[in-house]
Amino acid sequence: DQQVKQNSPSLSVQEGRISILNCDYTNSMFDYFLWYKKYPAEGPTFLISISSIKDKNEDGRFTVFLNKSAKHLSLHIVPSQPGDSAVYFCAFWDSSASKIIFGSGTRLSIRP
Amino acid sequence: DTAVSQTPKYLVTQMGNDKSIKCEQNLGHDTMYWYKQDSKKFLKIMFSYNNKELIINETVPNRFSPKSPDKAHLNLHINSLELGDSAVYFCASSPRDGGNTIYFGEGSWLTVV
Repeated sequence: DQQVKQNSPSLSVQEGRISILNCDYTNSMFDYFLWYKKYPAEGPTFLISISSIKDKNEDGRFTVFLNKSAKHLSLHIVPSQPGDSAVYFCAFWDSSASKIIFGSGTRLSIRP
Repeated sequence: DTAVSQTPKYLVTQMGNDKSIKCEQNLGHDTMYWYKQDSKKFLKIMFSYNNKELIINETVPNRFSPKSPDKAHLNLHINSLELGDSAVYFCASSPRDGGNTIYFGEGSWLTVV
C-alpha cells in the first residue's frame, strides 16, 4: 500500500538548468509536505516544506509546488548546481498517525 | 557536534545472532524514531517514542525491540537476525510528538550473512 510515489528513480540535468522532481500521493488527509535530500552514506536532511493550505513555497533556489486536486507535489531547483546531486525524498506528515511517510526517492545527477 | 548519532555505522553479522544499534540525540527533542530503508530504497518507519513512551509500532516482527532509557536515547535490539533484516537503519528525532520535521542520523548499514 504505497501512499507516496516518486515514479522517476533517477534524473539527469545539466548544470545551470532547472531540475524538477515529482511526487504523487493518494491520501488527501495529508496536511504537511516535505522534501528531504540525501547524500551517500549520510542520513536524509530536511530541505523544504509546504503546508496543505498553500500551493507554493520558495526558499532560495528551491521551490515546492503543491497541487492538491491532482495530489501532486513537485520540487524545482534553479539553477541546478553540482552539489545538488543527491537522492531526493518527498515526504508527507500524516497527523492522524503522527508519522512522516516517505517516497522511494529520486536520484538527481547534475552534469557539467 | 553530531545532532543525531548512531553506532555502529557498519555491521556485518551471521544469521541467528542478536545485535543492537545505539542512538543518541543532543538536540533536546522529545520524540525519537527508527526508520528502515530496504532494498527498494523506501524509508519506512518502524517505531517512535515520545519521552520514553512508545507511540508508534508499525508491523515489525517481535524480534525487533526498541529501548529508550531516557528521551535522548533510543536503541534498537534485534534478536535472531535473518537475511531479510539486511538494510540501512536510520535513527531520527523531532522536537515533539507531532513535529513535522525530523532530523536523521547517518544510518547504520546492517548486513546479515
